[in-house]
Amino acid sequence: EIVMTQSPATLSVSPGERATLSCRASQSVRNNLAWYQQKPGQAPRLLIYDISTRATGVPARFSGSGSVTEFTLTISSLQPEDFAVYYCLQFNDWPQFTFGPGTKVDVK
Amino acid sequence: EVQLVQSGAEVKKPGESLTISCKASGYTFSDYWIGWVRQMPGKGLEWMGIIYPGDSETRYRPSFQGQVTISADKSISTTFLQWSSLKASDAAIYYCARVESKIDFWGRGTLVTVSS
Repeated sequence: EIVMTQSPATLSVSPGERATLSCRASQSVRNNLAWYQQKPGQAPRLLIYDISTRATGVPARFSGSGSVTEFTLTISSLQPEDFAVYYCLQFNDWPQFTFGPGTKVDVK
Repeated sequence: EVQLVQSGAEVKKPGESLTISCKASGYTFSDYWIGWVRQMPGKGLEWMGIIYPGDSETRYRPSFQGQVTISADKSISTTFLQWSSLKASDAAIYYCARVESKIDFWGRGTLVTVSS
């Protein structure tokens, strides 16, 4: 099983600041990496897939980058609605998908 | 519009059986895999398994194999997640999700409470 790790576990950021979230895979996942946002009491929402492709309706302040085993989600200027938990997901080892443990972005 | 509508919250006792459902609309049900994801209280997302409604091919994450059963009924565009004997540790929110290589659409989740 491919193990996904995320850092930091919690990221405290002020509105308007930049947030950088990291995700690492235990082995190559090629470009089969997605990011999801989950707010309290809600289902996750797809933000980014194939490392860097924004899903429909996702604001341009969200961007993804990386390759092989190291990936980054960047939120260029945090808005109040962006405070949430973010998960990465590998879907390379199909169909044994694995999620990272999540990064909580909270208000500094 | 793609929608996955999940059945309502359940309260069960340990040892009881349970089936929850996920009804799809807005796309051709048989053409996409549907997966199930567990979220235990205050925890992260865990992939459980996946089914292809077109032929009911099913794959489980090893840790969930034998613990749950995933099935589908094409005639009503619905996927099911079933337990034969619930444990307290099965208490969680369960999400169904459409898989188009990655997970692209999610249901709102079904809360399962297991308490004696």
